[in-house]
Amino acid sequence: GQQVMQIPQYQHVQEGEDFTTYCNSSTTLSNIQWYKQRPGGHPVFLIQLVKSGEVKKQKRLTFQFGEAKKNSSLHITATQTTDVGTYFCAGRTAGGTSYGKLTFGQGTILTVHP
Amino acid sequence: NAGVMQNPRHLVRRRGQEARLRCSPMKGHSHVYWYRQLPEEGLKFMVYLQKENIIDESGMPKERFSAEFPKEGPSILRIQQVVRGDSAAYFCASSQQRATDTQYFGPGTRLTVL
Repeated sequence: GQQVMQIPQYQHVQEGEDFTTYCNSSTTLSNIQWYKQRPGGHPVFLIQLVKSGEVKKQKRLTFQFGEAKKNSSLHITATQTTDVGTYFCAGRTAGGTSYGKLTFGQGTILTVHP
Repeated sequence: NAGVMQNPRHLVRRRGQEARLRCSPMKGHSHVYWYRQLPEEGLKFMVYLQKENIIDESGMPKERFSAEFPKEGPSILRIQQVVRGDSAAYFCASSQQRATDTQYFGPGTRLTVL
């Protein structure tokens, strides 16, 4: 079945440093979504990428979708303590009854030291 | 517009008891998804339902677990004869229509089996 691998599992940074998490799928995706989960909280939708090579920005966050639609990345510039949490990518394959199903990566736990 | 609602937020059961988890999707959403999350792990897809129909249950354990989304009322995830390994956070998500893709998550139910 489809697998989504996400690295690194943990990332510790000093406030002001940059942060990147990477996602790789074993199969071609129709789209990929990114979520943030605070400790004890629930996944909060950040963004969806659909097109090959797509790049989207949200303030200090930059999301990329690979040309082959099998990998994606999230980059945060100049981290702040409010960025703390776990960042998940979640991919969806095209077609069939599994179209509604999201396959989540393991997540990257980001710690920001002030 | 209220978000996805789940109750109870916390549920404690003894081994062998039944657990019933409820999910009310966002207003206007007719697609519901259930995910399970073990500590420090990603979310694992369990089941995808539309009103009165199970679309994809490929992530559901074969025994003891069932889900429904009746014409009226919330979606229910039912776990019979719970075991300690069922302890996890169970998240429900909803989407407006399959093509829209974006899934919005509820606050989750934290199940603890003693």
